[in-house]
Amino acid sequence: EPEVTQTPSHQVTQMGQEVILRCVPISNHLYFYWYRQILGQKVEFLVSFYNNEISEKSEIFDDQFSVERPDGSNFTLKIRSTKLEDSAMYFCASQMGAGTYEQYFGPGTRLTVT
Amino acid sequence: GESVGLHLPTLSVQEGDNSIINCAYSNSASDYFIWYKQESGKGPQFIIDIRSNMDKRQGQRVTVLLNKTVKHLSLQIAATQPGDSAVYFCAEQTGANNLFFGTGTRLTVIP
Repeated sequence: EPEVTQTPSHQVTQMGQEVILRCVPISNHLYFYWYRQILGQKVEFLVSFYNNEISEKSEIFDDQFSVERPDGSNFTLKIRSTKLEDSAMYFCASQMGAGTYEQYFGPGTRLTVT
Repeated sequence: GESVGLHLPTLSVQEGDNSIINCAYSNSASDYFIWYKQESGKGPQFIIDIRSNMDKRQGQRVTVLLNKTVKHLSLQIAATQPGDSAVYFCAEQTGANNLFFGTGTRLTVIP
């Protein structure tokens, strides 16, 4: 069964450093998302991406964040200058397209900012 | 913004019993609701969904009930098994595709 994959599974970085989290969505899906989950809290929407542009973003997704689909398979989340409060699990999700609503989540990347 | 919350943070049930997990939502404009299961160290896994024009939907061992009058959503798991132990989130979607998640209920199945 096709699945969303994410790398790395765990990323440790120092405050102020840039990180790039990578996702490979399911191949025939058209909508892509990033969510984050701070330890013990609920999953929070960050950004949605369709047709090579951001569709919607939350208040969390400030100028320090960016997303990119550099080729036909990868979908990346970049945090330009990490802060301690960016420490969380980051989940990528993909959705087939209009008329289908199920989002498939990847296993997540645990980001630890020290 | 939208608010999705859960009545109980933890639920313990005996193996074989039925489980009911509840969720309250505040945005009456939400038109799609989903239950996700999250096991430790994994991403949310889709369980079942329901559109706002329905009040009940059944899957394999799971049933979702939607009461729009009181903005309440529930997940019923029949004959709960140890493998059902996880955190369960309800999520809602309004127009745009992004999901708004509740805080989660941890279900523990006692063998």
